[in-house]
Amino acid sequence: DAGVIQSPRHEVTEMGQEVTLRCKPISGHNSLFWYRQTMMRGLELLIYFNNNVPIDDSGMPEDRFSAKMPNASFSTLKIQPSEPRDSAVYFCASSPRTGAVEAFFGQGTRLTVV
Amino acid sequence: AQSVAQPEDQVNVAEGNPLTVKCTYSVSGNPYLFWYVQYPNRGLQFLLKYITGDNLVKGSYGFEAEFNKSQTSFHLKKPSALVSDSALYFCAVRDLSGSARQLTFGSGTQLTVLP
Repeated sequence: DAGVIQSPRHEVTEMGQEVTLRCKPISGHNSLFWYRQTMMRGLELLIYFNNNVPIDDSGMPEDRFSAKMPNASFSTLKIQPSEPRDSAVYFCASSPRTGAVEAFFGQGTRLTVV
Repeated sequence: AQSVAQPEDQVNVAEGNPLTVKCTYSVSGNPYLFWYVQYPNRGLQFLLKYITGDNLVKGSYGFEAEFNKSQTSFHLKKPSALVSDSALYFCAVRDLSGSARQLTFGSGTQLTVLP
């Protein structure tokens, strides 16, 4: 299995631009999580989906952030418009079911907004 | 609500010595507990988990962790540290009885093993 695949690995964009981060979970996994990692705030859960349905988006910082999961094999996290304070590493993770099992992480997307 | 505390931002240990990375948790019910490791510019890798049963859990790369319910702790340990163990370690928890399905992570502990 290829694991959780995120793209792009690195993204540099100008303030005000739209940014879309992509994630392909492990096949057969029905839970998907988006996390953000910064030095100041550590690892924060932004949103998670179960069976393609958003369950908890209370971690999404602002309306500028949105996430979708149109099917079981693809999810996007969009920031529009982007701001310098959005600069962080964004991780996607998936797990086969919620509960006792661990989540498997992608390699992350390092976003820099200048 | 569920939460995790990693009281040490940084742990330094000499190669060959035992290491301990501390973690305490707070949940309203019974916990699922996890340890992850993150190497530079990489995602988080699962090390081990406690679900139920034996309080001493063995995981990858010679790591183990001890669940202590009375102290609400889940410290990560290794008998003999390697330089290659240097990385960022995260403890995570999920409340068995809660409605939250996601893992809550601690702030991370940077482990440095000195040659």
